[in-house]
Amino acid sequence: AQTVTQSQPEMSVQEAETVTLSCTYDTSESNYYLFWYKQPPSRQMILVIRQEAYKQQNATENRFSVNFQKAAKSFSLKISDSQLGDTAMYFCAFLYHNFGNEKLTFGTGTRLTIIP
Amino acid sequence: GAGVSQSPSNKVTEKGKDVELRCDPISGHTALYWYRQSLGQGLEFLIYFQGNSAPDKSGLPSDRFSAERTGGSVSTLTIQRTQQEDSAVYLCASSLGVGTAAYEQYFGPGTRLTVT
Repeated sequence: AQTVTQSQPEMSVQEAETVTLSCTYDTSESNYYLFWYKQPPSRQMILVIRQEAYKQQNATENRFSVNFQKAAKSFSLKISDSQLGDTAMYFCAFLYHNFGNEKLTFGTGTRLTIIP
Repeated sequence: GAGVSQSPSNKVTEKGKDVELRCDPISGHTALYWYRQSLGQGLEFLIYFQGNSAPDKSGLPSDRFSAERTGGSVSTLTIQRTQQEDSAVYLCASSLGVGTAAYEQYFGPGTRLTVT
């Protein structure tokens, strides 16, 4: 079974600064996907970024980028130039694609607060 | 286009009553997922549909929980004889199921269920 660990329950950072959220996972599979989701107080889960395990290049989406270390089973999220709207819970998630088994396994989340 | 929608957004029910939660996935998405989010258990997978079939029901916590999907679109999650421990936010997600973004899951706003 796969597990996802987020060791930082809460973080805070000043607006415009850069923050990195940590995530580690455990799996015996070699082909899988990793995701970061954001959940603001509105409760809506929003997909932030996706990384395919077979790709060596780290994914980026505007101010969001990941540091994917496959051998270390680490998948951190970097938010640059943080904005007040980035305040949310952030969940790291793992997906192993096997027909009939495509569920997301989530970490426990990191509550990020951006301070004005 | 329209995102995943869920209804009702909030539901309060008495212990022992049955409830139905509805999910409308994004048009054209073949895969549909139900998850549960609670304070004690975090985000848990419940069931996955590919078309109208449910190849993975492994997350349903008891036989009081059931789900169906009709026409490859709308899904209903039914909880019979509700218990207080069923209180949670029930999240629905959908994904394309094909192509490079096949496994990106997009979530609805959730239904908050409170069992009194």
